[in-house]
Amino acid sequence: DGGITQSPKYLFRKEGQNVTLSCEQNLNHDAMYWYRQDPGQGLRLIYYSQIVNDFQKGDIAEGYSVSREKKESFPLTVTSAQKNPTAFYLCASSLGQGVSGYTFGSGTRLTVV
Amino acid sequence: QQPVQSPQAVILREGEDAVINCSSSKALYSVHWYRQKHGEAPVFLMILLKGGEQKGHEKISASFNEKKQQSSLYLTASQLSYSGTYFCGTGSSGSARQLTFGSGTQLTVLP
Repeated sequence: DGGITQSPKYLFRKEGQNVTLSCEQNLNHDAMYWYRQDPGQGLRLIYYSQIVNDFQKGDIAEGYSVSREKKESFPLTVTSAQKNPTAFYLCASSLGQGVSGYTFGSGTRLTVV
Repeated sequence: QQPVQSPQAVILREGEDAVINCSSSKALYSVHWYRQKHGEAPVFLMILLKGGEQKGHEKISASFNEKKQQSSLYLTASQLSYSGTYFCGTGSSGSARQLTFGSGTQLTVLP
């Protein structure tokens, strides 16, 4: 079955560490997205990519980095520059062009310890 | 800018109806609706595109008023399984390739 796989489900980070969240899709979708969700709040866009080797900053890109070397993969690195990284991170994909629904992964819950 | 959803929360009994509204300050190209259960990923319900269409999905339907930059989600004869947080995501004209999400409406259906 096609879908999006995010790993790990839970991640703990020490202060000053960089961590990478994995996102893989086998839906043959062109567009991929990273959202951050804080308790009781909506989803805020971190980065998005419409094609391989190209990505754009979203509303809250500071302290994050991404790469899109393969169509299937869109990993997110939370760097030490991100001052408040504790959140639920969701990866999504779509056919692109804004006319199709998003498929979301099951999320990664990141906690700073 | 983030679309505004109302109400923030609603509690229903099984079989009752609910309406969730989503308003934007920008001209819209598309409106998406998603439902998220606690601790899970949002699930796509439907998309409405510029043109003021109304769509339906089982007992859940939605409308899109392009002029008012608003969309409404209608849940009729609610079921326990409808409980969750509903998010609208809006794509603005000229920038339709990524969505801006509202803060969500928490819907609780009681037996």
